[in-house]
Parts: sequence; C-alpha cells; structure tokens
Amino acid sequence: EADIYQTPRYLVIGTGKKITLECSQTMGHDKMYWYQQDPGMELHLIHYSYGVNSTEKGDLSSESTVSRIRTEHFPLTLESARPSHTSQYLCASSEGARETQYFGPGTRLLVL
Amino acid sequence: DQQVKQNSPSLSVQEGRISILNCDYTNSMFDYFLWYKKYPAEGPTFLISISSIKDKNEDGRFTVFLNKSAKHLSLHIVPSQPGDSAVYFCAAINNYQLIWGAGTKLIIKP
Repeated sequence: EADIYQTPRYLVIGTGKKITLECSQTMGHDKMYWYQQDPGMELHLIHYSYGVNSTEKGDLSSESTVSRIRTEHFPLTLESARPSHTSQYLCASSEGARETQYFGPGTRLLVL
Repeated sequence: DQQVKQNSPSLSVQEGRISILNCDYTNSMFDYFLWYKKYPAEGPTFLISISSIKDKNEDGRFTVFLNKSAKHLSLHIVPSQPGDSAVYFCAAINNYQLIWGAGTKLIIKP
C-alpha cells in the first residue's frame, strides 16, 4: 500500500493568488513527480526530483515551481494563479528511476 | 506527436465478460510498460506491468500482453466486475520518465 498524500484535495481560488500544493510520502522514495491532467487527456509531467535539492522541469512547460528540501516533501507553488492553471495536479513517487510510480489522490484546482 | 496511443476513448462491456483495452506505441526503444486505473477525483492506481523480455504477465483477473513487432500491448480483465469501471491508462518508461496514453474509459454494464 502506497502512502502518499496531497493537500488540499480541492481548491477554488481567485486570479492572482499565490498557492502551494502539498505532497508528502512516507515510503522514503528518492524520486518524486508532479503531473498535470485535464479531463480526457493524458498525464503530463511538469516537475520531477531525483532526491533532496534536486528538481527538474518535465516535458510540459509550467509556470509553477517546486522544492525538495526533505526527502518526504515535494511542494508545488504557483506565485500568481490564473484561470489557465485550472486542472488536476497529481503527485507521485518511486523508489528508483525505473520503478513503479505511486500516486497521491490529486488536487483539483479551479482558478476563477 | 503522441508516443503512446490509446485509440478507444471509451469501452462498454457486460459484467462477467472479458474487457480488452488496447495500447499502441511508436518508439521501439520503450522496454517497460505499465497499466494504471483511475477513478474520478483520485490519483492513478498501479495495476500491472510488463517488461519487453516477456510477452505476457498475469495477476489475478488482469493479464497484459505485449507484441513487440506490432508495438502493441493489451490489458485483459476477466471476468469484468462493476468496480472495474474507471479510466485505464497505458504508460511506457522512457529515459526514466513515464510516457502516458490518453486513457480509455471502461464502463461495466450490469
């Protein structure tokens, strides 16, 4: 059973606000990921991390930023939310680069 | 250009029958494939995987078949149950990242 948590589960916020989506895992996994998914579409990787102090951008350009100060924690921040950021954000982790990724429940973000 | 394709957006199957979900890929360098299941408002859940050195992997009601020459894999669910109704994603590992298909919505009819 994977133990990966995301908060909040749902967020409705106005344009221009700064938001941070939280992701934590208790499995000690080195690799963590953030995906963005719109309804009926594939998941797009927006950020990933190989370990503490390591962050990389994924294949989908995103205005968000991430940090990895602790192994278990990988928060995603939007400095100024816009309606185009409305989407579902999914966090995942894996033990190694080629290992199965385990997902959190996701955060559904609506920017008005 | 989509490297992993799930050409059926949805599939409807009678309860108790076999569900067959298909996935095609374009990159012959892909050597590890995974299937995930996703309910609305939840994260994907890992189902089953297959390495390119195999052509079949089975886990309970779920079997994945890989045809490397056709660059095609399929997920078989037998027998289909109402709880199997969800979106199923096929994914391939490439350069230590997952490349995802767009998903197929499976509906199990009672």
